[in-house]
Amino acid sequence: DAGVIQSPRHEVTEMGQEVTLRCKPISGHNSLFWYRQTMMRGLELLIYFNNNVPIDDSGMPEDRFSAKMPNASFSTLKIQPSEPRDSAVYFCASSPTGYNSPLHFGNGTRLTVT
Amino acid sequence: SQQGEEDPQALSIQEGENATMNCSYKTSINNLQWYRQNSGRGLVHLILIRSNEREKHSGRLRVTLDTSKKSSSLLITASRAADTASYFCATDYGQNFVFGPGTRLSVLP
Repeated sequence: DAGVIQSPRHEVTEMGQEVTLRCKPISGHNSLFWYRQTMMRGLELLIYFNNNVPIDDSGMPEDRFSAKMPNASFSTLKIQPSEPRDSAVYFCASSPTGYNSPLHFGNGTRLTVT
Repeated sequence: SQQGEEDPQALSIQEGENATMNCSYKTSINNLQWYRQNSGRGLVHLILIRSNEREKHSGRLRVTLDTSKKSSSLLITASRAADTASYFCATDYGQNFVFGPGTRLSVLP
């Protein structure tokens, strides 16, 4: 199993540009999570999908952030327009059921907005 | 909030020594998990302990859970330089998981 795959690994963009982060969860996992990690705020849950349906997006900071999961094998997190304070490492994680099961993390996308 | 808090924030030990990290949380949980994160990588799941369990082992790792004190501990025995990483506890909150700020462990050769 290839694990959770995220792309790109690094993204550098200018303020105001659109950024799209991609995630391929582990096959057969029904739950997918997007987290953001910064030194100041640690790991923050942004949004959680179960069976491709967004269950909890209360962690999405602003309307500039949106996430989709068009099918069981692909999810995107989009920031439009991006701002310097969005600079962080964004992680995608999947789990078999979400509840009472471990999370499997990708290696993250390091986003730098200048 | 439901967030767990690890203690200490940073820990530095010599190779071969044991390392103990603690996690405290605020409200009732169904399970608690420990994760490791190496620099520049994603988190790796170590152990999940359910609320009706008091202790679990996995290799050199031992996790305890005291629901009356709302706390958990992670013990790494006979530490190695490769154990150098950040360690996080995560508590379930509804169908989500909330992570603490982590303990940065440095194992010196």
